[in-house]
Amino acid sequence: QQQVKQSPQSLIVQKGGIPIINCAYENTAFDYFPWYQQFPGKGPALLIAIRPDVSEKKEGRFTISFNKSAKQFSLHIMDSQPGDSATYFCAAAPGSSNTGKLIFGQGTTLQVKP
Amino acid sequence: NAGVTQTPKFRILKIGQSMTLQCTQDMNHNYMYWYRQDPGMGLKLIYYSVGAGITDKGEVPNGYNVSRSTTEDFPLRLELAAPSQTSVYFCASKGSNTGELFFGEGSRLTVL
Repeated sequence: QQQVKQSPQSLIVQKGGIPIINCAYENTAFDYFPWYQQFPGKGPALLIAIRPDVSEKKEGRFTISFNKSAKQFSLHIMDSQPGDSATYFCAAAPGSSNTGKLIFGQGTTLQVKP
Repeated sequence: NAGVTQTPKFRILKIGQSMTLQCTQDMNHNYMYWYRQDPGMGLKLIYYSVGAGITDKGEVPNGYNVSRSTTEDFPLRLELAAPSQTSVYFCASKGSNTGELFFGEGSRLTVL
């Protein structure tokens, strides 16, 4: 019940394409769903996050779609660029204790070809 | 701002050796975490701390120990290193009023 399942494991798109990464969870106590971006040799960095009271959140070219009833959320990258090539992790935080104990998905390696 | 600083960046250990991964943050964050990252497995929480003097186990604590004597420092101790501890280790910190974790650049550990 503490797992967050992420797919696909890897993704290749052409510049300008719209890669979509999906995540699913089981624990209904999760109430915070961030996405982290990681470049090679660096630590993950927060990209965008959503709480279950909204169904969509946009920040620039990045959009999270959230389906509470299906317990799924996804990341869409509009007009993808070669600089978006990185590993993306979805995550979820259980409960509202604010301890920040994130449960991460397995990660998706994205390559955007010029 | 330095943010979260981890040392060393790389280390090779022999089976049975011990070592400490250092982590320090200069953001006055109360919350600190140690994660390990293995290919295809995402990041797994080893230990975390909600403030100086308080630590607790995460998902994969076996073979590790931590301490939190100051707000800034959160070292991770590996006792009797095993090949299964070959991984990239990330330290992170978080402020009290945000969900955002700030990560260090990682420490790559190989146990041979």
